[in-house]
Amino acid sequence: GAVVSQHPSWVICKSGTSVKIECRSLDFQATTMFWYRQFPKQSLMLMATSNEGSKATYEQGVEKDKFLINHASLTLSTLTVTSAHPEDSSFYICSARDLRGDGYTFGSGTRLTVV
Amino acid sequence: AQSVTQLGSHVSVSEGALVLLRCNYSSSVPPYLFWYVQYPNQGLQLLLKYTSAATLVKGINGFEAEFKKSETSFHLTKPSAHMSDAAEYFCAVSGPNTGRRALTFGSGTRLQVQP
Repeated sequence: GAVVSQHPSWVICKSGTSVKIECRSLDFQATTMFWYRQFPKQSLMLMATSNEGSKATYEQGVEKDKFLINHASLTLSTLTVTSAHPEDSSFYICSARDLRGDGYTFGSGTRLTVV
Repeated sequence: AQSVTQLGSHVSVSEGALVLLRCNYSSSVPPYLFWYVQYPNQGLQLLLKYTSAATLVKGINGFEAEFKKSETSFHLTKPSAHMSDAAEYFCAVSGPNTGRRALTFGSGTRLQVQP
């Protein structure tokens, strides 16, 4: 089945630094990837839709200058949290749609802690 | 616009008892519906999906769900709960032929299984 590899699984960084999270589709091409954020004991909230070769589409209230998304190839999308602050601490999950099977495949998530 | 409502943020059952997790949807187009399971600090695993074929959908780990258009429901069931079923469950909706459209998630239901 379709596999999306997400790295790192967890990261701790200092306030003011930037963190990059990668998502790779391993056995299929993903022209579109989705980035979600999940706070403890809450649901997944869509942050942005990443389109290969073009600018990402951000959801209302998501700062595009803070959450930089790059989708330079059909198998890789990255989310960079710039100038991270403690309130950015969260669980970030990527997803891609495998058009071969009408399914959405999720990465294993990244636990970001900003200290 | 599409949305899902999961009734009951917490459900507790005894091992061996019936599991019923409720999901109602709202969609202006024929929906695709999904159930995912999430274990702590992990990504989402697909349990089953409805994509306009059979209304009774069988998934992994003994779960199944029935699409009822008249009730706009897609409840998840399992005849006999196992301790390993304890997790967070999310219902999600999307539209057909929407490779660029992200899933919209319900608020989630935490399933506890008592010995």
